[in-house]
Amino acid sequence: EAGVAQSPRYKIIEKRQSVAFWCNPISGHATLYWYQQILGQGPKLLIQFQNNGVVDDSQLPKDRFSAERLKGVDSTLKIQPAKLEDSAVYLCASSRAVQETQYFGPGTRLLVL
Amino acid sequence: RKEVEQDPGPFNVPEGATVAFNCTYSNSASQSFFWYRQDCRKEPKLLMSVYSSGNEDGRFTAQLNRASQYISLLIRDSKLSDSATYLCVPLARSGGYNKLIFGAGTRLAVHP
Repeated sequence: EAGVAQSPRYKIIEKRQSVAFWCNPISGHATLYWYQQILGQGPKLLIQFQNNGVVDDSQLPKDRFSAERLKGVDSTLKIQPAKLEDSAVYLCASSRAVQETQYFGPGTRLLVL
Repeated sequence: RKEVEQDPGPFNVPEGATVAFNCTYSNSASQSFFWYRQDCRKEPKLLMSVYSSGNEDGRFTAQLNRASQYISLLIRDSKLSDSATYLCVPLARSGGYNKLIFGAGTRLAVHP
């Protein structure tokens, strides 16, 4: 079974630029999550989708971050404009249902200069 | 107070040693708990689930003390391949939804 796919794997941008990350969950997984992991910290949930609907986006900085999962499969996370403190690894995870095991993708490592 | 507190380590132990990590959590309503393992520059992977007082899987034993809001992970007969960061993860209810709350992790280094 293919795992969670993410791209790009690495991205370097300057502050105030825009960036987008893409995630393809495990086939058949209804729930998709985006996490932010800053160096030395555990992953922090940014947004959770159930199919194409948002379940929880309480920790998403909505002034600059946006995410969508239009067809209930792939998802994109966008940052516009980026700040230095957005430097982190952005992890996508998926699960068959909300309370089931989450499987993580390899992450996108973002460096904002 | 942080939602999940872990000793960051590192714990440096020789092969074959037994090592234990502790974790405390603040949300008393948490019902499920997990230990994830994260290798350097890799994604977290589920190591164990803990639903009742504890769980054992081979060399790994997790124990839960709900009264003290404390979880532990014991690794026996440590292998070099056990070197990683171990994340304590309660499932907490917030805003009407359940979500995983990750600790910052405890780093383990097993040496020959």
